[in-house]
Amino acid sequence: KQEVTQIPAALSVPEGENLVLNCSFTDSAIYNLQWFRQDPGKGLTSLLLIQSSQREQTSGRLNASLDKSSGRSTLYIAASQPGDSATYLCAVTGTASKLTFGTGTRLQVTL
Amino acid sequence: SAVISQKPSRDICQRGTSLTIQCQVDSQVTMMFWYRQQPGQSLTLIATANQGSEATYESGFVIDKFPISRPNLTFSTLTVSNMSPEDSSIYLCSVAPGVANEKLFFGSGTQLSVL
Repeated sequence: KQEVTQIPAALSVPEGENLVLNCSFTDSAIYNLQWFRQDPGKGLTSLLLIQSSQREQTSGRLNASLDKSSGRSTLYIAASQPGDSATYLCAVTGTASKLTFGTGTRLQVTL
Repeated sequence: SAVISQKPSRDICQRGTSLTIQCQVDSQVTMMFWYRQQPGQSLTLIATANQGSEATYESGFVIDKFPISRPNLTFSTLTVSNMSPEDSSIYLCSVAPGVANEKLFFGSGTQLSVL
């Protein structure tokens, strides 16, 4: 059974800092890995999707990497802003588009 | 992409009653899923909603408790039956618009509280 873990569980940083969120998974037989952002009352927003054959994806200030063989992914956020405050979830896709979600990292960016 | 409308956004219900949650998509999608997020927990897949046939439930979830309908490629409902306080969670609809294993899109969720 696939298990996805995220470290740290919570993180508070001052505005402007670069930060890294970590995600690990136990079964490397995945189709892809997605990073989501969850805001209270607004559901989930997909940030980046990395196919199993890819090493990284970038979107603006976000960069996600994937090391499938070691079961690890990182989400790098550059020059953090207060608007980045949210819970970040990673999820891996197994068969039939089913996602297994991580435990989440709650990020707070302070002024 | 896909725009998903999920209703209701929140509800407070009495023990023993049932609530039906609706998920409407602005385009035809191949796959629709229902997830549950219990307080302080991550998301857990309840079932895959299949168009024209019975839903496929994950381990620990049964049709009697969570009946699902999917009459067409743009709409699905999830019913939480005979509710207890343990059912208090956020319930989310998710869709895969195109080919398998591509990006999933989520509704805004239904915040359910059972008294």
